Amino acid sequence: SQTIHQWPATLVQPVGSPLSLECTVEGTSNPNLYWYRQAAGRGLQLLFYSVGIGQISSEVPQNLSASRPQDRQFILSSKKLLLSDSGFYLCAWSGGSGYEQYFGPGTRLTVT
Amino acid sequence: DQQVKQNSPSLSVQEGRISILNCDYTNSMFDYFLWYKKYPAEGPTFLISISSIKDKNEDGRFTVFLNKSAKHLSLHIVPSQPGDSAVYFCAASADSGYALNFGKGTSLLVTP
Repeated sequence: SQTIHQWPATLVQPVGSPLSLECTVEGTSNPNLYWYRQAAGRGLQLLFYSVGIGQISSEVPQNLSASRPQDRQFILSSKKLLLSDSGFYLCAWSGGSGYEQYFGPGTRLTVT
Repeated sequence: DQQVKQNSPSLSVQEGRISILNCDYTNSMFDYFLWYKKYPAEGPTFLISISSIKDKNEDGRFTVFLNKSAKHLSLHIVPSQPGDSAVYFCAASADSGYALNFGKGTSLLVTP
């Protein structure tokens, strides 16, 4: 069966510090991968998605970036965090032809 | 631009009764709709979905109804159980393997 991992589970970072969140998927090949953010009191906002290694599409202009160095690894990064980057970050995967997306446990990021 | 709207932020239902969660959408290109359930500090869990070629899909206690002419869908939970207490997100897609557009969620509380 497929599983998706995210780490860390929680993170507190000062403004201006760098960020690296990692997501890995097991039990499937060539998944589509997604990064979402849920800000307080809001729905899920798609940040990035990837259909293959090195292929990243950005949905929202911001100071975040994403990379996919391996087939089942997706990384969310920032060089300098802003207060507005605080939120709950979720990684998800889907099969190539499927609509259903399956989410990881999430990372709670607090920028102070 | 919120293309998927859940106008009720919260809903309270007695155990054993029916819970009805509503969702409206504006994009006529959406052809697949999904419901997710989310507990605090966890990732959303896929619950049930429906293709635009159908008007009803049932899975155990959960039924999703789609009214394409009204651009409206609803999730019925019968009978409601305390363990159903969670935030429910409606999502829609116009293309498989791509972004899901999420509503802001409805918090369901099932009271004993």
